[in-house]
Amino acid sequence: AQKITQTQPGMFVQEKEAVTLDCTYDTSDPSYGLFWYKQPSSGEMIFLIYQGSYDQQNATEGRYSLNFQKARKSANLVISASQLGDSAMYFCAMREGGSGSGYSTLTFGKGTMLLVSP
Amino acid sequence: DAGVIQSPRHEVTEMGQEVTLRCKPISGHDYLFWYRQTMMRGLELLIYFNNNVPIDDSGMPEDRFSAKMPNASFSTLKIQPSEPRDSAVYFCASSPRRGSYEQYFGPGTRLTVT
Repeated sequence: AQKITQTQPGMFVQEKEAVTLDCTYDTSDPSYGLFWYKQPSSGEMIFLIYQGSYDQQNATEGRYSLNFQKARKSANLVISASQLGDSAMYFCAMREGGSGSGYSTLTFGKGTMLLVSP
Repeated sequence: DAGVIQSPRHEVTEMGQEVTLRCKPISGHDYLFWYRQTMMRGLELLIYFNNNVPIDDSGMPEDRFSAKMPNASFSTLKIQPSEPRDSAVYFCASSPRRGSYEQYFGPGTRLTVT
């Protein structure tokens, strides 16, 4: 079974609208972390936001917020007030195990391509 | 602060040649990762280091691939001999040993093997 599933290969949104990119995950570890990365056409991978499994509140970073629904094992990225520069591929990733248990690597989803139109 | 630095940014080589990719991680980061990205397979972890020591190289495709980290500020990924199927974007990333352990990626090296 895939550990990270991104079911939307592509999403379209108009400028200034909000958009939600879906991510579901699969783990039996009670301690884990969820990440979102942005990859624009220039190719670099940009870290956007992090949510820990024990965090009580949803993470927010500027226009980015993470809608964390633990029981549903979902960690959707919400981008408010979309901008043309938000057009990019977005990857969801998970690290299993807490930071005190030693390092475990990230597992990435296959990504969602977001296109923002004027 | 400087981010992760990779060189070269683009490499075109002929099949059979040796290719060396270079990476300078963010200063103070304890972990270094090498990834490969292709359309077919997505983002794959090849190997990662902790304090310059290779921890997990299970993602290295075959013996033609090797990676070293001689010190905390430098790592190489070598392919010898290269093959057309090695064409991909290779990313280096580094991570601190604290907080969320988020990984910061370099700009990548686009490798084309003809």
